[in-house]
Parts: sequence; C-alpha cells; structure tokens
Amino acid sequence: SQKIEQNSEALNIQEGKTATLTCNYTNYSPAYLQWYRQDPGRGPVFLLLIRENEKEKRKERLKVTFDTTLKQSLFHITASQPADSATYLCALEGTGGYNKLIFGAGTRLAVHP
Amino acid sequence: EAQVTQNPRYLITVTGKKLTVTCSQNMNHEYMSWYRQDPGLGLRQIYYSMNVEVTDKGDVPEGYKVSRKEKRNFPLILESPSPNQTSLYFCASSLSGRVETQYFGPGTRLLVL
Repeated sequence: SQKIEQNSEALNIQEGKTATLTCNYTNYSPAYLQWYRQDPGRGPVFLLLIRENEKEKRKERLKVTFDTTLKQSLFHITASQPADSATYLCALEGTGGYNKLIFGAGTRLAVHP
Repeated sequence: EAQVTQNPRYLITVTGKKLTVTCSQNMNHEYMSWYRQDPGLGLRQIYYSMNVEVTDKGDVPEGYKVSRKEKRNFPLILESPSPNQTSLYFCASSLSGRVETQYFGPGTRLLVL
C-alpha cells in the first residue's frame, strides 16, 4: 500500500545551522511533491512544490530535492532561526484519484538560540 | 484578504447529534477539500470537490457527507457523530486541483462525547 514516512522524532538544531528533513515514500510514482509548514493550532501553509522532472528547487533559505529513484525528498532550511520552529509536512498525489493529496505525519523542527 | 474560513473553530457535541462545519473561500477557487488530522496519522483527506455539484471521496469518507452548491462554500456534515470522529478538521482550497498550492483554513477542533 501507499506509504509516506517522515521522521516522527523532533529535530533539534542550533540557530544558524542547516536543518534537513526527510520524506520517504513507497508504492508511489508521484508527478510532484509539496512541502508545508504547520504551526501549533493552525492550518498548514504551502512552502514549495517540486515536480518529478526537477531535481532541486529553492526559495530564499529553503531548498527541496526530489530523487525519484530513491523515492525520497529532502527539505533544507539554511541559516535556521528560532522562527523556523514548526512542524513540516510533505504531501504527494495519491494514486487512484488525480486530486487526492496524501500527507505525511510531519516532522517537528525546534531551532534553539 | 484571500482566505479560507471555517466555523465553528471549536465544537463539543454528543454522539448522534447531527452537526455541520462550514467552509468558505473568497479566492474563486474551483477545488475544495476536507481533511482530518489526528496525532501520528497526519492529514487524511475526507472528501474533495472539483467544482460546483462535483464531489468525490477521499481516503476516509465514512461517516461524513459534503455538498457543493455554491463555488465558495463546502460544508462538512456529520449526520450521526461518533467519538472516533473526534479530531482536528481542516478545509482547503486551490485554484484548480492537485498540482496547486492548497490554502488551508484555521481548523475546527471537534470533540464528540
């Protein structure tokens, strides 16, 4: 069955370091992958979308890679700040329906001063 | 301001008492969707709608109904709520479908006793 895995353990890093979050998937061949940020008690906010023919995408301090061979996406935040502390979700199109979006459970990032 | 609104934000009810959670977007989006979020399980899609009068099941539709009579509104109906429907619910919209930024509402926290 389709499965998306994100590290359930929180990632703790020091301010200024690069945070790297992982999204692995199985039994998928998604045409694209999205990353969202979610703060406690709030709805997810879209960050980046990367398509299967794009190896890498950047937006300010954010970088996403998409390796369809490894079935993995990496999400990087460079020069991290305490304000980057949040839960980060990856999402892929679900099979069996063109408009189904399947989310991972998310990884919580804590950036310490 | 472009936004997705949900009401109510918090709701406590009892088993079997019908309820409706409203969702409205002011961005003229065609695609709208409902998710539930539970600890460790991430966001799971309940229903989605491609346009007025066009709806389809997501991954966890049992116990829920939706309707799309107007483009801006997409209410979620629980005909006979049960305790296992206690969850955090999010409505989302996008311009035309899956390969688009999803804009999420602020969430509705539901407790069914």
